Amino acid sequence: DTEVTQTPKHLVMGMTNKKSLKCEQHMGHRAMYWYKQKAKKPPELMFVYSYEKLSINESVPSRFSPECPNSSLLNLHLHALQPEDSALYLCASSQGLGGGAYNEQFFGPGTRLTVL
Amino acid sequence: SQQGEEDPQALSIQEGENATMNCSYKTSINNLQWYRQNSGRGLVHLILIRSNEREKHSGRLRVTLDTSKKSSSLLITASRAADTASYFCAGEGNKLTFGTGTQLKVEL
Repeated sequence: DTEVTQTPKHLVMGMTNKKSLKCEQHMGHRAMYWYKQKAKKPPELMFVYSYEKLSINESVPSRFSPECPNSSLLNLHLHALQPEDSALYLCASSQGLGGGAYNEQFFGPGTRLTVL
Repeated sequence: SQQGEEDPQALSIQEGENATMNCSYKTSINNLQWYRQNSGRGLVHLILIRSNEREKHSGRLRVTLDTSKKSSSLLITASRAADTASYFCAGEGNKLTFGTGTQLKVEL
């Protein structure tokens, strides 16, 4: 299975809501990532988990809270978001971190988030 | 921003023609990767070239890397309508940093 799955595909939420995005991979990858992508822009890294521990936090506002319950799952908890947080949220995984030919990232299809 | 720049921003060609996209990056990298993204979907890895390599081929794809100029190019030969997508270069140092992307349209 070389697939990264993400749920939900679409999410509409108000600024006072709490919601979660979910990501799953069964490739045995030990690194997982959250990216945010605005329309016609490249993905921007938010968080990196390596061996289930937070490795990189790109100064993301605390209204975004990542969680890695186990090596296959990655969640992104959302609370008190702003309309400017509306974007495509992409999850990815790779075998490991650091330079090397094994660091191809596999991306999920994304969750299209709209904050009203 | 550590983001790389891609050139051109948009490219429109006829099916069967070759498409060339260029990427420049700012920081030292361990490898450079190219990804493809169909509209509103996830990214698909195309090819990875290591910092000690100068050229790499995969099917209709040819990638070059010039670390002295901090630049890379992606050539798609004999393009097809199905190649229509956005293409991103991504340099890997301590993390993957994506370029601004090239929107390729291949017309029948």
